[in-house]
Amino acid sequence: DVKVTQSSRYLVKRTGEKVFLECVQDMDHENMFWYRQDPGLGLRLIYFSYDVKMKEKGDIPEGYSVSREKKERFSLILESASTNQTSMYLCASSLLVTEAFFGQGTRLTVV
Amino acid sequence: DAKTTQPPSMDCAEGRAANLPCNHSTISGNEYVYWYRQIHSQGPQYIIHGLKNNETNEMASLIITEDRKSSTLILPHATLRDTAVYYCIVSPPTAGGTSYGKLTFGQGTILTVHP
Repeated sequence: DVKVTQSSRYLVKRTGEKVFLECVQDMDHENMFWYRQDPGLGLRLIYFSYDVKMKEKGDIPEGYSVSREKKERFSLILESASTNQTSMYLCASSLLVTEAFFGQGTRLTVV
Repeated sequence: DAKTTQPPSMDCAEGRAANLPCNHSTISGNEYVYWYRQIHSQGPQYIIHGLKNNETNEMASLIITEDRKSSTLILPHATLRDTAVYYCIVSPPTAGGTSYGKLTFGQGTILTVHP
């Protein structure tokens, strides 16, 4: 079975901190994605990557950056966390344009 | 990207078939219809996808109308564990496109299966 693993299930950080959310997949998928999910707004795409060292902005990239140094790992970086980045963050991976597999999510609270 | 319209909520009795509709009237000829679901506190889970023909797998059946403007996801024997938000998604074009499998999620349908 494909496994997408996010490093933390729950995370509490202070405003202004630099935050790293890590995601690892074990199926050699080319594509990896970061979404955030908020009540009433659904899942929104932040960034995605279709190859190592390649990245593309999604619908809401402001305040975030990403890193993909190895095929299996895709990191989401909050350069200076703010309270409006409190959210559920979901990582996904897919092979070409087929079904995506999601991780369990990281619930980030910025205080 | 083509947009989808789903009812905000539906109920279903345990053991009965759950039929979840989706309208995608602006779908392009090479766009697929995908269905995902999200059980509370978990990440979304792929269910099924199709282009033109009806599809069936171990989880569900997908019925796509001949004009492809709407589809129905069928859970043949719903259980309490099928209570979830169900998302109908139309994938971006694949032929020569650079979508790389991006999925745009709408609000979905909250399906509640009751005893």
